[in-house]
Amino acid sequence: NAGVMQNPRHLVRRRGQEARLRCSPMKGHSHVYWYRQLPEEGLKFMVYLQKENIIDESGMPKERFSAEFPKEGPSILRIQQVVRGDSAAYFCASSPSLNTDTQYFGPGTRLTVL
Amino acid sequence: AQSVTQLDSQVPVFEEAPVELRCNYSSSVSVYLFWYVQYPNQGLQLLLKYLSGSTLVKSINGFEAEFNKSQTSFHLRKPSVHISDTAEYFCAVSPIQGAQKLVFGQGTRLTINP
Repeated sequence: NAGVMQNPRHLVRRRGQEARLRCSPMKGHSHVYWYRQLPEEGLKFMVYLQKENIIDESGMPKERFSAEFPKEGPSILRIQQVVRGDSAAYFCASSPSLNTDTQYFGPGTRLTVL
Repeated sequence: AQSVTQLDSQVPVFEEAPVELRCNYSSSVSVYLFWYVQYPNQGLQLLLKYLSGSTLVKSINGFEAEFNKSQTSFHLRKPSVHISDTAEYFCAVSPIQGAQKLVFGQGTRLTINP
C-alpha cells in the first residue's frame, strides 16, 4: 500500500514564475491537507480539500495561491508569480474521512525561489 | 483556536541518557494530541497520539507521552536515547470535531551525541 506521494521532491523557480506541487493521497483516502514549513519553523496549515471541494482554506495566502483536488488525479497546490518568501517545504497529508484522527504525510516538496 | 508551544528549540543529550521534550497547548475546544518525528530531508511520521482513555501513551520505539489536562501539557519522554533518535520532533493538536487540521508547535531538534 503506497503512502502519500508528492512530486517533485525539489523544485527551483525564479521570481515571477509559477510553481505546481502535486500530491497523490494514499489509496482510499479522499481528504487532503496542505501544510507549509518555513525555515526554522513548524508546519502551518494552508488548505483542506475533499474530492472536487475546498473545505477550509483559512490558512492560504489571499493572493497567488490556489489549490484543487479534482475527481481524477492528484491534488495540486499552485503558486503564481513566486517570490523569495515562498521558499519553503510544502507537505501534504491525507486521511480517509472527516473524523479520522490520523493524517498520513508525504515526503514534501522543497521549493526554492531564486 | 488552538496554539502549541514547544519550550525547547534544541535538546542535545548523550547516547543512553534520558530525555524529555516539552509541549504545552491551549485550546477552547477538546483536542487530540500528537507527536510527529521528522528525520532529515524526510516527511513527518506519526510517533504517538492521545485520543482518550489512559493518559500515558507509548510508541513502539520506546517513547512515551503523558497527557496532563490540568497543566495542558503533553511532554514526550524516553528513558534511554539512541543515535538513531536524532531528528526534529513536533507536537501537534487537532480539534476532535470537524476538520482535523493540525496545529503544530515550532519543533524541537533532538541531537544525540555519542
